[in-house]
Amino acid sequence: TQLLEQSPQFLSIQEGENLTVYCNSSSVFSSLQWYRQEPGEGPVLLVTVVTGGEVKKLKRLTFQFGDARKDSSLHITAAQPGDTGLYLCAGNNNAGNMLTFGGGTRLMVKP
Amino acid sequence: GAVVSQHPSRVICKSGTSVKIECRSLDFQATTMFWYRQFPKQSLMLMATSNEGSKATYEQGVEKDKFLINHASLTLSTLTVTSAHPEDSSFYICSALSGGYEQYFGPGTRLTVT
Repeated sequence: TQLLEQSPQFLSIQEGENLTVYCNSSSVFSSLQWYRQEPGEGPVLLVTVVTGGEVKKLKRLTFQFGDARKDSSLHITAAQPGDTGLYLCAGNNNAGNMLTFGGGTRLMVKP
Repeated sequence: GAVVSQHPSRVICKSGTSVKIECRSLDFQATTMFWYRQFPKQSLMLMATSNEGSKATYEQGVEKDKFLINHASLTLSTLTVTSAHPEDSSFYICSALSGGYEQYFGPGTRLTVT
């Protein structure tokens, strides 16, 4: 069974601070997706990383895929209250294209 | 693009009745859809993989006779919770596979069984 450990579980910060969320696994993934979910809604895909060492930027969000494709990080610069939500990483191992989800990071950005 | 809808968004039903939830890919065809369950403040738990024209593949511990899945077309999968009980109350989310490996999620269905 593949496991994806996500940390931290909870994060409460002030507007303007930076933060990093980590996803780690002992398994290799063919791709990894990051989602953001708001209460009562489905997850929204933020980015997909495929190549080991890949870095993708989405405005103030920077996503990195580890060289060995076993881990990933999400860095948010100058967090805004609108960034508040549940962030989920999910690894794809190509077996039926099923995703293994991390436990999620609940982020709260206070104004 | 890659929009997935779910219907209904909320449903309340009595214990012992059945409830059907629809998942549609609106602007793309999806041979594979997935059904997840999410408990409060937790991550998503995969229930089953729905393949168009064939039987669904259920994850370990998920009762296939209780959670009936039908994927009759390339844009529609349905999940029927049969003989619902209060412990079936949850947030059910579907996703559809697009572009080979990216999953796009529906907005979810909040089921409350009284």
